[in-house]
Amino acid sequence: SQTIHQWPATLVQPVGSPLSLECTVEGTSNPNLYWYRQAAGRGLQLLFYSVGIGQISSEVPQNLSASRPQDRQFILSSKKLLLSDSGFYLCAWSGGGDGYTFGSGTRLTVV
Amino acid sequence: RKEVEQDPGPFNVPEGATVAFNCTYSNSASQSFFWYRQDCRKEPKLLMSVYSSGNEDGRFTAQLNRASQYISLLIRDSKLSDSATYLCVVNAKQFYMRFGAGTRLTVKP
Repeated sequence: SQTIHQWPATLVQPVGSPLSLECTVEGTSNPNLYWYRQAAGRGLQLLFYSVGIGQISSEVPQNLSASRPQDRQFILSSKKLLLSDSGFYLCAWSGGGDGYTFGSGTRLTVV
Repeated sequence: RKEVEQDPGPFNVPEGATVAFNCTYSNSASQSFFWYRQDCRKEPKLLMSVYSSGNEDGRFTAQLNRASQYISLLIRDSKLSDSATYLCVVNAKQFYMRFGAGTRLTVKP
């Protein structure tokens, strides 16, 4: 069966520090991968999606970037965090069929 | 206009009540529709897909009206465990989907 792993679960980072969140999927090949962010009390905002290795589409221009160095690995990064980057970051995968499966999320607080 | 709009809620209902959530979407070319459930501080989880003919899963019934670009979710005989935020989800383009902001439901004893 397919599983998705996302870590860390919580993170507190100072303004201006770098960020790296990792997501890996097991039990499937060539998944579509996504990064979403959910601000407190808000809906999910699509940040990036990828349909293959090295293929990244950005939905919202900002100080975040994403990379897909391997088929089942998706990384979200920032060189310098802003206070507004705080939120609940969710990685998801899709096989192109029914819906997404989400990882357990990373709760990021920028202080 | 937002691509996916939901009743803002919150809905506070007693156990055993029937509650309905509504959702409208703006992209008439959308082909896939879902309801997700999100518990507090957890990731969203797929509740059910929404099919053109409508579909039922136990106490949950989903309806789609393409002409009105409208989706609904009906929960019958509400349980305390149904308390959560319900997200309406519509595919935006071939590879990704848009989420509504969610409707919070609290079922009280």
